[in-house]
Amino acid sequence: KAGVTQTPRYLIKTRGQQVTLSCSPISGHRSVSWYQQTPGQGLQFLFEYFSETQRNKGNFPGRFSGRQFSNSRSEMNVSTLELGDSALYLCASSRQADNEQFFGPGTRLTVL
Amino acid sequence: QKEVEQNSGPLSVPEGAIASLNCTYSDRGSQSFFWYRQYSGKSPELIMSIYSNGDKEDGRFTAQLNKASQYVSLLIRDSQPSDSATYLCAADGGSNYKLTFGKGTLLTVNP
Repeated sequence: KAGVTQTPRYLIKTRGQQVTLSCSPISGHRSVSWYQQTPGQGLQFLFEYFSETQRNKGNFPGRFSGRQFSNSRSEMNVSTLELGDSALYLCASSRQADNEQFFGPGTRLTVL
Repeated sequence: QKEVEQNSGPLSVPEGAIASLNCTYSDRGSQSFFWYRQYSGKSPELIMSIYSNGDKEDGRFTAQLNKASQYVSLLIRDSQPSDSATYLCAADGGSNYKLTFGKGTLLTVNP
């Protein structure tokens, strides 16, 4: 069974640019959650999607947005990048958000 | 703010010893609890889930849950250097469609 995939694996952007990250969940999983991980803050919840609906959103500015497609694949977008957005962005899939979540390899974003 | 608290460590144990990792949570509505292992530079990997009070064993790993004390622990028996990683505890939010993670405990197993 294929795991969660994320693309791209690495990104380097400059301040003010925008970025789109993609996540393909495990087959049969309809919930996709996104997290930001930094050394100081740990894993911070961004949002969760299920059947194309955002059911919960973390405490992040509106520059962070996401969506989910009918095939459960999900994207997140960060606009007007700031230096502090440099982090590892992880997506996790599960059958339900409060069940076992399985993480993808992450996208390492560096903002210069 | 619903929180999951872990000792940041580092926790250092000799090879072959038992490593004990602890976690407390604030939301009494939490029903599901998970332990993840994260090697440096990698993504978290699910190693244990526990839903009922008591112990759950899987190989060298034992998860323990005490809902009255809002306490979850992970025991690693016969610790190996390959167990050296950061261990993350997570709890669900009682039907709010998210997991809350602790900041993790860094475990080092010395040969």
